[in-house]
Amino acid sequence: AQSVSQHNHHVILSEAASLELGCNYSYGGTVNLFWYVQYPGQHLQLLLKYFSGDPLVKGIKGFEAEFIKSKFSFNLRKPSVQWSDTAEYFCAVNAGFSGGYNKLIFGAGTRLAVHP
Amino acid sequence: DGGITQSPKYLFRKEGQNVTLSCEQNLNHDAMYWYRQDPGQGLRLIYYSQIVNDFQKGDIAEGYSVSREKKESFPLTVTSAQKNPTAFYLCATRQAANTEAFFGQGTRLTVV
Repeated sequence: AQSVSQHNHHVILSEAASLELGCNYSYGGTVNLFWYVQYPGQHLQLLLKYFSGDPLVKGIKGFEAEFIKSKFSFNLRKPSVQWSDTAEYFCAVNAGFSGGYNKLIFGAGTRLAVHP
Repeated sequence: DGGITQSPKYLFRKEGQNVTLSCEQNLNHDAMYWYRQDPGQGLRLIYYSQIVNDFQKGDIAEGYSVSREKKESFPLTVTSAQKNPTAFYLCATRQAANTEAFFGQGTRLTVV
């Protein structure tokens, strides 16, 4: 079965520190990859996505992610975090075309707290 | 105003009762999804539908049921068979099977 693993459940950083959140998936076929963010009290929003092409994708608010197919990974990065980045981050994988259906599977999430 | 509407925002249910959560969309998206969000467990897929009159079980479908009679609507019924129904429920839609998902604001269900 397809699955998504996010290695860090809670991350605490100071402003201006660099961020890297890990995401690994288990599926050998074609995948589409996503990072979503959920700010306190708000609904989930798309940060960035990878479908094909350049494995380094850039998203909103200075976030980027790199797809490494050989490692089944899609880690999220930001060079310098801000207090406003405090949120929960979810990695998601669209696991191919199993029997014509597409499941969109999410990881357990990483809670990021940025201190001023 | 385009989007996904989930109602109600808060819902209380007595043990042993069925309850139906509403999800309506006017984005003209084919695919619709129901997730359950619990602290530390992320979003777990309950059911999903790619076209009208068709739907598939997700990873935690036991104790839930859905219908997809209209493209715009994908209601979720939490039955009395669901052992731990208290959770935050999210509805999502996608234009096509391999595009990004858009989410509603969610319904927080509490069993009292």
